[in-house]
Amino acid sequence: AQSVTQLGSHVSVSEGALVLLRCNYSSSVPPYLFWYVQYPNQGLQLLLKYTSAATLVKGINGFEAEFKKSETSFHLTKPSAHMSDAAEYFCAVSPHQTGANNLFFGTGTRLTVIP
Amino acid sequence: EAQVTQNPRYLITVTGKKLTVTCSQNMNHEYMSWYRQDPGLGLRQIYYSMNVEVTDKGDVPEGYKVSRKEKRNFPLILESPSPNQTSLYFCASTSRGRGNTEAFFGQGTRLTVV
Repeated sequence: AQSVTQLGSHVSVSEGALVLLRCNYSSSVPPYLFWYVQYPNQGLQLLLKYTSAATLVKGINGFEAEFKKSETSFHLTKPSAHMSDAAEYFCAVSPHQTGANNLFFGTGTRLTVIP
Repeated sequence: EAQVTQNPRYLITVTGKKLTVTCSQNMNHEYMSWYRQDPGLGLRQIYYSMNVEVTDKGDVPEGYKVSRKEKRNFPLILESPSPNQTSLYFCASTSRGRGNTEAFFGQGTRLTVV
């Protein structure tokens, strides 16, 4: 069974500080992993995805994530937070055979950026 | 512009009154899905479709129906809505393939059942 755990339902950082959002997955085989962002009153937008190529994945808006098999983790980072990064972030996993067609989401982390 | 369009965006209805939420995509994607989003639970898949006339249950299918008569449309049907179906609903479409794909999401439909 596929599942993800996002540690911390709310994270606050100061503008310019490092952003670190945690995601751990549970899967019998290495899955595909995704990070999505949801801005208020909007749908979900893909930030980045891991599909068994490079373990360090770069996404949009300066975000990146590193796949660590030994830790079953896929944490999202950004070196310097911007006010526009305030949103809810979801980590998701999918089985290898179906890819993004069947996504299992974490419970989300709401990021607040303090001026 | 590539997009997934859901209608309506907001809906308030009464218990037991049948409703349909429409979803349409213009990317010629084979795969389409419905998710519901609830506070503290993230998004959970309700139903998905791998092609026309091919649908299957997701994690939380109870109380919902879907149909896929055309490739571009994937309506979500609540035959007899109940208050526990009050939620934010998202439709998504994905091109055929495995990991090298991306799910495109609609803007969401906020449903309230009273």
